[in-house]
Amino acid sequence: DAMVIQNPRYQVTQFGKPVTLSCSQTLNHNVMYWYQQKSSQAPKLLFHYYDKDFNNEADTPDNFQSRRPNTSFCFLDIRSPGLGDAAMYLCATSRDPGTVNTEAFFGQGTRLTVV
Amino acid sequence: AQTVTQSQPEMSVQEAETVTLSCTYDTSESDYYLFWYKQPPSRQMILVIRQEAYKQQNATENRFSVNFQKAAKSFSLKISDSQLGDAAMYFCASPNTGNQFYFGTGTSLTVIP
Repeated sequence: DAMVIQNPRYQVTQFGKPVTLSCSQTLNHNVMYWYQQKSSQAPKLLFHYYDKDFNNEADTPDNFQSRRPNTSFCFLDIRSPGLGDAAMYLCATSRDPGTVNTEAFFGQGTRLTVV
Repeated sequence: AQTVTQSQPEMSVQEAETVTLSCTYDTSESDYYLFWYKQPPSRQMILVIRQEAYKQQNATENRFSVNFQKAAKSFSLKISDSQLGDAAMYFCASPNTGNQFYFGTGTSLTVIP
């Protein structure tokens, strides 16, 4: 009964080689998020979608982009990964803003290694 | 913008004892929720407990309870009868009306057998 699924769990990419991380959800939630989490740090919000509306955090590098082709899927594209982009990437979903008891549901994450 | 502060990078507790993790936040929202999430090593983030700001009663979920002090903007998590499975990173989180979840820096909890 997995609800937020991230693929792959582990991804190794070469410096500068584009990479795409995937997230799917079975919860039919309107909102999907991408977070970057480096070792022993808090998850850092990169961007989120409310339905098809894309919301970028002000400090998210241009190197990071996202696509949401439908409610269930969301992708994180890193155009030219650098060594500093090595991290755990977390996908999360939630209901409509303002919904009572809204909480975020997380996937297991994709650990990205850049070599 | 939301800010969430956890001032305890690491905590330890003896098995079966009680431990309290601290969190303070700052928000301009009038109505909001607060959450504690648990992230075990190499496992996914899961919700531990939530608090609605307009409710004065502190939330409780089995061995987990919060001490919510709205005026002080404080939201601490108390874990009673600590178990080995409670060992994890704990993050305090506060969403805004745009439903953007912001997390504190986390507290690493060690449970000593």
